[in-house]
Amino acid sequence: ETGVTQTPRHLVMGMTNKKSLKCEQHLGHNAMYWYKQSAKKPLELMFVYSLEERVENNSVPSRFSPECPNSSHLFLHLHTLQPEDSALYLCASSQNRGNQPQHFGDGTRLSIL
Amino acid sequence: GQQVMQIPQYQHVQEGEDFTTYCNSSTTLSNIQWYKQRPGGHPVFLIQLVKSGEVKKQKRLTFQFGEAKKNSSLHITATQTTDVGTYFCAGPILTGGGNKLTFGTGTQLKVEL
Repeated sequence: ETGVTQTPRHLVMGMTNKKSLKCEQHLGHNAMYWYKQSAKKPLELMFVYSLEERVENNSVPSRFSPECPNSSHLFLHLHTLQPEDSALYLCASSQNRGNQPQHFGDGTRLSIL
Repeated sequence: GQQVMQIPQYQHVQEGEDFTTYCNSSTTLSNIQWYKQRPGGHPVFLIQLVKSGEVKKQKRLTFQFGEAKKNSSLHITATQTTDVGTYFCAGPILTGGGNKLTFGTGTQLKVEL
């Protein structure tokens, strides 16, 4: 039990599908993050939310659309993805944004056909 | 470009041998954090160092923060198969949007019997 729950754990989708990844944290943190982890690449920060406000968007293609309805929940909406988007998508949370330790969920393993 | 580098990228050791991974930042860090990601798992926070020259130990793991607060190391004494995984360092780096916890490139450790 990590305190950060991600669903689904695995997702296979076609390039024309629309799906959403969900993240929920039970730690009382006020910052949440989406990361992409591809094989043999460093962790890539995609989005940062602090107090439900998006504070960072690292040049992520518009086919990825985040949503943070409250401080405990984070979504990543996916549409018209490309094969190179296949990766492990990790959600994390921390007490405050910037320099606090982050707690990660188990991730969603995404495969684009 | 990547602001937090780690070497080596990969390390294979025999069980019982020691292992060290090095982390270098392009800028001075207010703290350095270490994470471990087991194969098929997610990054898990291990420890945070804050003071210049600080050394902390967790059983067979020794963490050190450099005097200039720009580098760090993780040393494992007498490795075991349970040490297998990828070890990441991370430090807050000031960007236009404030401090961003920036992860290193990671060192993948394999332990052979």
